[in-house]
Amino acid sequence: AQSVTQLDSQVPVFEEAPVELRCNYSSSVSVYLFWYVQYPNQGLQLLLKYLSGSTLVKGINGFEAEFNKSQTSFHLRKPSVHISDTAEYFCAVSDLRDDKIIFGKGTRLHILP
Amino acid sequence: DTEVTQTPKHLVMGMTNKKSLKCEQHMGHRAMYWYKQKAKKPPELMFVYSYEKLSINESVPSRFSPECPNSSLLNLHLHALQPEDSALYLCASSQANQEKLFFGSGTQLSVL
Repeated sequence: AQSVTQLDSQVPVFEEAPVELRCNYSSSVSVYLFWYVQYPNQGLQLLLKYLSGSTLVKGINGFEAEFNKSQTSFHLRKPSVHISDTAEYFCAVSDLRDDKIIFGKGTRLHILP
Repeated sequence: DTEVTQTPKHLVMGMTNKKSLKCEQHMGHRAMYWYKQKAKKPPELMFVYSYEKLSINESVPSRFSPECPNSSLLNLHLHALQPEDSALYLCASSQANQEKLFFGSGTQLSVL
């Protein structure tokens, strides 16, 4: 079965500084990888996804992620964060066998003024 | 229309009550999902319907009963819930497993 690990439960970062949120996955088969964002009192919204092809994926709101098969990682990055990026970020994995999409425990991005 | 609509937004129920959560999407998606999310935790998959048939049940207790009346609607019937079932219940839909999930805003459920 597939699984996903987000090592950092929360990440504080100053406004306009760069940020990286880490995600590692485990699966015996090829996977699809996603990053979702959840703002307070809302459902989840897709930031970006990796299915195949270029390992650098660009998403909405200036976020990007790089798929690294050898390190089984899919870290999320943004070169300059804003107060509005304060939210919970979830990495998720899905394989080709069924419709199951499994979420990591989430990382709370806390923007410092 | 790219929305998933969930009703009600908030629900308070006693342990002997019967209630239902509703979810609707008009994007023609073939898969619909129920997730449960406790505070400060990730969403946990409960059920998946594919082409209106239950395809995944993550060993959810029988006090939760899903129903998919048609391709646009998904219900979650609740009966004899426990206080620990209090959580945000999220509905989602997708066209295929490699496509993104569209989430509703959720129903915040409190069981007293």
